[in-house]
Amino acid sequence: EPEVTQTPSHQVTQMGQEVILRCVPISNHLYFYWYRQILGQKVEFLVSFYNNEISEKSEIFDDQFSVERPDGSNFTLKIRSTKLEDSAMYFCASNRDSHEAFFGQGTRLTVV
Amino acid sequence: DQQVKQNSPSLSVQEGRISILNCDYTNSMFDYFLWYKKYPAEGPTFLISISSIKDKNEDGRFTVFLNKSAKHLSLHIVPSQPGDSAVYFCAASAISGYALNFGKGTSLLVTP
Repeated sequence: EPEVTQTPSHQVTQMGQEVILRCVPISNHLYFYWYRQILGQKVEFLVSFYNNEISEKSEIFDDQFSVERPDGSNFTLKIRSTKLEDSAMYFCASNRDSHEAFFGQGTRLTVV
Repeated sequence: DQQVKQNSPSLSVQEGRISILNCDYTNSMFDYFLWYKKYPAEGPTFLISISSIKDKNEDGRFTVFLNKSAKHLSLHIVPSQPGDSAVYFCAASAISGYALNFGKGTSLLVTP
Protein backbone atom coordinates (compact mmCIF):
# COMPACT_ATOMS: atom_id res chain seq x y z
CA GLU A 1 0.00 0.00 0.00
CA PRO A 2 1.50 3.39 -0.94
CA GLU A 3 2.44 5.63 1.95
CA VAL A 4 3.88 9.02 2.77
CA THR A 5 7.44 8.71 4.06
CA GLN A 6 9.31 11.27 6.13
CA THR A 7 12.96 11.62 7.02
CA PRO A 8 14.55 11.88 9.47
CA SER A 9 12.33 10.41 12.17
CA HIS A 10 14.06 12.57 14.77
CA GLN A 11 16.11 15.73 14.32
CA VAL A 12 17.91 17.59 17.06
CA THR A 13 19.19 21.04 16.22
CA GLN A 14 20.60 24.05 18.00
CA MET A 15 18.56 27.20 18.29
CA GLY A 16 19.23 29.50 15.34
CA GLN A 17 20.23 26.72 12.99
CA GLU A 18 18.43 25.90 9.75
CA VAL A 19 16.66 22.56 9.39
CA ILE A 20 15.15 20.82 6.41
CA LEU A 21 12.50 18.18 6.92
CA ARG A 22 11.94 15.84 4.03
CA CYS A 23 8.90 14.02 2.74
CA VAL A 24 8.08 11.75 -0.15
CA PRO A 25 4.34 12.01 -0.80
CA ILE A 26 2.30 9.28 -2.45
CA SER A 27 3.31 9.26 -6.10
CA ASN A 28 0.06 10.19 -7.88
CA HIS A 29 -1.02 12.76 -5.33
CA LEU A 30 -1.36 16.41 -6.26
CA TYR A 31 -1.73 18.26 -2.98
CA PHE A 32 0.96 18.31 -0.30
CA TYR A 33 0.78 19.57 3.25
CA TRP A 34 2.78 20.19 6.37
CA TYR A 35 1.21 20.03 9.80
CA ARG A 36 2.77 20.14 13.23
CA GLN A 37 1.83 18.97 16.70
CA ILE A 38 3.46 20.57 19.71
CA LEU A 39 3.56 18.17 22.64
CA GLY A 40 0.20 18.03 24.36
CA GLN A 41 -1.51 20.23 21.79
CA LYS A 42 -3.61 19.69 18.69
CA VAL A 43 -2.38 19.00 15.19
CA GLU A 44 -2.03 22.37 13.43
CA PHE A 45 -2.08 23.13 9.73
CA LEU A 46 0.98 24.94 8.40
CA VAL A 47 0.83 25.01 4.61
CA SER A 48 -0.57 23.35 1.52
CA PHE A 49 1.16 23.14 -1.84
CA TYR A 50 -0.39 22.51 -5.23
CA ASN A 51 0.86 22.92 -8.77
CA ASN A 52 4.28 24.06 -7.55
CA GLU A 53 3.02 26.85 -5.37
CA ILE A 54 1.59 27.49 -1.93
CA SER A 55 -2.21 27.26 -2.06
CA GLU A 56 -2.99 27.91 1.60
CA LYS A 57 -0.98 28.79 4.68
CA SER A 58 -1.71 29.46 8.32
CA GLU A 59 -0.54 32.27 10.57
CA ILE A 60 2.12 29.94 11.93
CA PHE A 61 3.78 29.71 8.51
CA ASP A 62 5.76 32.95 8.69
CA ASP A 63 8.88 34.07 6.86
CA GLN A 64 10.98 31.59 8.82
CA PHE A 65 9.30 28.73 6.97
CA SER A 66 9.49 27.74 3.34
CA VAL A 67 8.47 24.74 1.29
CA GLU A 68 9.84 23.32 -1.88
CA ARG A 69 9.28 20.47 -4.27
CA PRO A 70 12.81 20.23 -5.67
CA ASP A 71 12.09 17.26 -7.93
CA GLY A 72 9.21 15.00 -8.87
CA SER A 73 9.14 13.09 -5.62
CA ASN A 74 10.38 15.10 -2.63
CA PHE A 75 8.56 17.80 -0.68
CA THR A 76 10.57 19.71 1.91
CA LEU A 77 9.91 22.07 4.80
CA LYS A 78 12.73 24.44 5.71
CA ILE A 79 12.88 26.36 8.96
CA ARG A 80 15.44 29.09 8.48
CA SER A 81 16.43 29.94 12.04
CA THR A 82 14.94 27.55 14.54
CA LYS A 83 13.51 28.69 17.86
CA LEU A 84 12.84 26.63 20.97
CA GLU A 85 9.11 26.86 20.30
CA ASP A 86 9.56 25.15 16.92
CA SER A 87 10.07 21.88 18.78
CA ALA A 88 7.21 19.64 17.68
CA MET A 89 6.21 16.63 15.59
CA TYR A 90 6.02 17.68 11.97
CA PHE A 91 3.72 15.69 9.73
CA CYS A 92 3.73 15.69 5.98
CA ALA A 93 0.50 14.71 4.22
CA SER A 94 -0.76 14.37 0.68
CA ASN A 95 -3.90 13.70 -1.30
CA ARG A 96 -4.96 13.54 -4.88
CA ASP A 97 -8.12 15.60 -5.12
CA SER A 98 -10.14 15.18 -1.95
CA HIS A 99 -10.35 16.15 1.66
CA GLU A 100 -8.94 12.87 2.98
CA ALA A 101 -5.24 13.50 3.48
CA PHE A 102 -2.77 10.68 4.09
CA PHE A 103 -0.14 11.40 6.71
CA GLY A 104 3.45 10.30 7.15
CA GLN A 105 4.78 8.99 10.43
CA GLY A 106 6.22 12.36 11.37
CA THR A 107 9.58 13.94 12.18
CA ARG A 108 10.20 14.85 15.79
CA LEU A 109 12.11 18.14 15.81
CA THR A 110 13.88 19.07 19.03
CA VAL A 111 15.44 22.52 19.23
CA VAL A 112 17.97 22.90 22.04
CA ASP B 1 -9.05 29.80 18.55
CA GLN B 2 -10.59 26.38 18.90
CA GLN B 3 -12.81 25.95 15.87
CA VAL B 4 -13.03 22.20 16.37
CA LYS B 5 -13.57 20.98 19.91
CA GLN B 6 -13.35 17.56 21.44
CA ASN B 7 -14.36 18.11 25.02
CA SER B 8 -13.62 14.63 26.31
CA PRO B 9 -9.88 14.05 26.54
CA SER B 10 -10.38 10.38 27.30
CA LEU B 11 -12.94 7.59 27.13
CA SER B 12 -12.86 4.04 28.45
CA VAL B 13 -15.18 1.37 27.04
CA GLN B 14 -15.47 -2.37 27.47
CA GLU B 15 -14.77 -4.64 24.55
CA GLY B 16 -17.91 -5.38 22.56
CA ARG B 17 -19.71 -2.23 23.67
CA ILE B 18 -20.29 0.94 21.70
CA SER B 19 -17.77 3.78 21.77
CA ILE B 20 -19.16 7.25 21.08
CA LEU B 21 -16.71 10.06 20.45
CA ASN B 22 -18.05 13.58 20.17
CA CYS B 23 -16.92 16.68 18.35
CA ASP B 24 -18.28 20.22 18.10
CA TYR B 25 -17.33 22.94 15.68
CA THR B 26 -17.92 26.67 15.51
CA ASN B 27 -17.12 27.65 11.93
CA SER B 28 -20.22 27.51 9.72
CA MET B 29 -17.95 27.49 6.65
CA PHE B 30 -16.83 23.94 7.43
CA ASP B 31 -18.40 21.57 4.95
CA TYR B 32 -16.42 18.37 5.27
CA PHE B 33 -15.62 16.43 8.41
CA LEU B 34 -13.19 13.64 9.05
CA TRP B 35 -12.09 11.32 11.81
CA TYR B 36 -8.49 10.24 12.16
CA LYS B 37 -7.00 7.64 14.45
CA LYS B 38 -3.50 7.98 15.84
CA TYR B 39 -1.22 5.54 17.60
CA PRO B 40 1.84 6.78 19.53
CA ALA B 41 4.86 7.55 17.32
CA GLU B 42 2.76 7.31 14.17
CA GLY B 43 1.00 9.83 11.97
CA PRO B 44 -2.79 10.22 11.93
CA THR B 45 -4.58 7.56 9.89
CA PHE B 46 -7.76 8.45 8.03
CA LEU B 47 -10.77 6.58 9.33
CA ILE B 48 -14.04 7.94 7.96
CA SER B 49 -15.47 11.19 6.65
CA ILE B 50 -18.77 12.91 5.96
CA SER B 51 -19.84 15.73 3.72
CA SER B 52 -22.16 18.41 5.06
CA ILE B 53 -24.88 17.32 2.63
CA LYS B 54 -25.23 14.06 4.55
CA ASP B 55 -26.14 13.30 8.13
CA LYS B 56 -24.72 9.79 8.36
CA ASN B 57 -21.92 7.76 6.84
CA GLU B 58 -21.16 4.17 7.71
CA ASP B 59 -18.11 2.01 7.08
CA GLY B 60 -18.11 -1.35 8.78
CA ARG B 61 -17.96 -0.87 12.55
CA PHE B 62 -17.58 2.89 12.19
CA THR B 63 -20.43 5.35 11.72
CA VAL B 64 -20.20 9.12 11.70
CA PHE B 65 -23.26 11.26 12.42
CA LEU B 66 -23.50 14.93 11.56
CA ASN B 67 -25.96 17.40 13.08
CA LYS B 68 -25.40 20.62 11.16
CA SER B 69 -27.89 22.71 13.11
CA ALA B 70 -26.11 21.81 16.35
CA LYS B 71 -22.65 21.95 14.73
CA HIS B 72 -21.97 18.56 16.22
CA LEU B 73 -20.66 15.28 14.94
CA SER B 74 -20.01 11.96 16.55
CA LEU B 75 -18.16 8.76 15.75
CA HIS B 76 -19.71 5.48 16.80
CA ILE B 77 -17.62 2.33 16.97
CA VAL B 78 -19.56 -0.86 17.48
CA PRO B 79 -18.55 -3.33 18.62
CA SER B 80 -15.42 -1.82 20.15
CA GLN B 81 -12.25 -3.91 20.07
CA PRO B 82 -9.01 -3.59 22.07
CA GLY B 83 -7.18 -2.71 18.84
CA ASP B 84 -9.35 0.40 18.60
CA SER B 85 -7.47 1.88 21.56
CA ALA B 86 -5.85 5.04 20.17
CA VAL B 87 -6.29 8.79 20.06
CA TYR B 88 -9.14 9.87 17.78
CA PHE B 89 -9.04 13.26 16.14
CA CYS B 90 -11.98 15.07 14.65
CA ALA B 91 -11.07 17.37 11.74
CA ALA B 92 -12.93 19.75 9.49
CA SER B 93 -12.23 21.59 6.28
CA ALA B 94 -13.92 24.57 4.72
CA ILE B 95 -15.37 25.10 1.28
CA SER B 96 -12.34 27.16 0.29
CA GLY B 97 -9.74 24.45 0.51
CA TYR B 98 -8.46 21.21 1.88
CA ALA B 99 -6.59 22.43 4.98
CA LEU B 100 -7.74 20.46 8.01
CA ASN B 101 -8.64 21.98 11.38
CA PHE B 102 -8.14 19.41 14.07
CA GLY B 103 -9.60 18.98 17.52
CA LYS B 104 -7.34 18.11 20.44
CA GLY B 105 -8.24 14.45 20.31
CA THR B 106 -9.94 11.90 22.53
CA SER B 107 -7.92 9.00 23.87
CA LEU B 108 -10.02 5.83 23.64
CA LEU B 109 -9.19 2.81 25.75
CA VAL B 110 -11.05 -0.40 25.02
CA THR B 111 -10.65 -2.89 27.83
CA PRO B 112 -11.08 -6.66 27.45
